[in-house]
Parts: sequence; C-alpha cells; structure tokens
Amino acid sequence: DIQMTQSPSSLSASVGDRVTITCRASQDISNYLAWYQQKPGKVPNLLIYAASSLQSGVPSRFSGSGSGTDFTLTIGSLQPEDVAIYYCQNYKSALWTFGQGTKVEI
Amino acid sequence: EVQLVQSGAEVKKPGESLTISCNGSGYKFATYWINWVRQMPGKGLEWMGRIDPDDSSVKYSPSFQGHVTISADKSISTAYLQWGSLRASDTAMYYCASLYCTNGVCVAYWGQGTLVTVSS
Repeated sequence: DIQMTQSPSSLSASVGDRVTITCRASQDISNYLAWYQQKPGKVPNLLIYAASSLQSGVPSRFSGSGSGTDFTLTIGSLQPEDVAIYYCQNYKSALWTFGQGTKVEI
Repeated sequence: EVQLVQSGAEVKKPGESLTISCNGSGYKFATYWINWVRQMPGKGLEWMGRIDPDDSSVKYSPSFQGHVTISADKSISTAYLQWGSLRASDTAMYYCASLYCTNGVCVAYWGQGTLVTVSS
C-alpha cells in the first residue's frame, strides 16, 4: 500500500496569509496526486489534479506543486470561505489512498 | 450532466446485512471506474475499493477486503456496496466517486453520500 502523510494536521492563519500544506507519499507516485477540499457536511471537492493542474472553476489562489513523493498545496491568500479540511489523494494505478487531512481555520 | 446518485440513509442493527447503491447518469456507465470511500464521524476519507463497470473487475483496499463486496450492474448503470454482517464500527458516511482522466485533464464526480448507522 502507498501511504500518504499530510502535515500539519491543523493550522490557523489570518485572512490574506499564504498557507502551505504538504503531503508525502511512501513511494514514488509520479504526479498522480490530487487535492480535495471538504467543508462541513459537504462532499469533497476536487481542487488540483496531476499534482499541479487547477480544476476548472477553482480560484487561482489555489496551487499545487511537486512530483515523486513530495507535494504541496498552497493557498496564496487565505479567504474566509477557505475554512475546510484539505486532503491529498494518491491515484496511481487506479488504487486510491488519502492523506489524513489538514484542518484550516481562520 | 454527469451525476452519481446514491441510495438513502440506512439504520441497521449489528449482524444485519445491507446493500447501498450508486446510480450513474449523464454518461456511458462503463466509462468511469466507481470507487467507494468511507468517512467515519469526524474522521478522514478512506478508500475502500473500486469496480470497473465494464467488466466488473474489483480491487479492494486491504483494510476492507473480506468485509464488504463491491459489484455493479451495467445494464442499469448502478454500482453497489454490500455488507453481509454489519458492525457498529461500520457507522459512517459512504460515498461513491469517480476520477476520470483523459488527455491530461481529470474530472471528479462524487455521489451525495449515504449515511449508514449501525446500532442495537
């Protein structure tokens, strides 16, 4: 199994701050990495796929980078509506694994 | 419009069996693999397994192998998640989901979730 480890598990930042979440895979997954945002009581929403491709309709303040085993999700300027839990997801070989999630608060 | 529509909430007793469903519409059902994802109360997302509706081949996460069965009926565009004997620890929200990637572009589709409560 490929394990995905996110850090931090939670963070608190101010509106306008730059926020960075990291995700590490236990083995090389190339760029088969997605990021999801989940707000309370809602279905997860795809933000980033292929490690750095922004999903249509997602604000440009969200960006992703990395390849191999180390990946980053960056929120360029944190907004109140970004309060949520963020998950990384490995989808290499069509077998998924998720990180444990990062709770982002204002 | 592509949609994955799941069956409604269920309340069951330990030891009972259960099947929940996920109906795909707006696309050729065999196109996207259907994944099942568990989210226990207040916890993160856990991948359970996936099915290729075209040939009904299934891959399970080792954590769920042997406890659940994933199946699909292509003729009615529906995938299923089945338990033979529920436990209280199966209480969770269950999502069906697809991540379809072609020509370097991916789209994700998620069902609305089915809440399963197992309690005596």
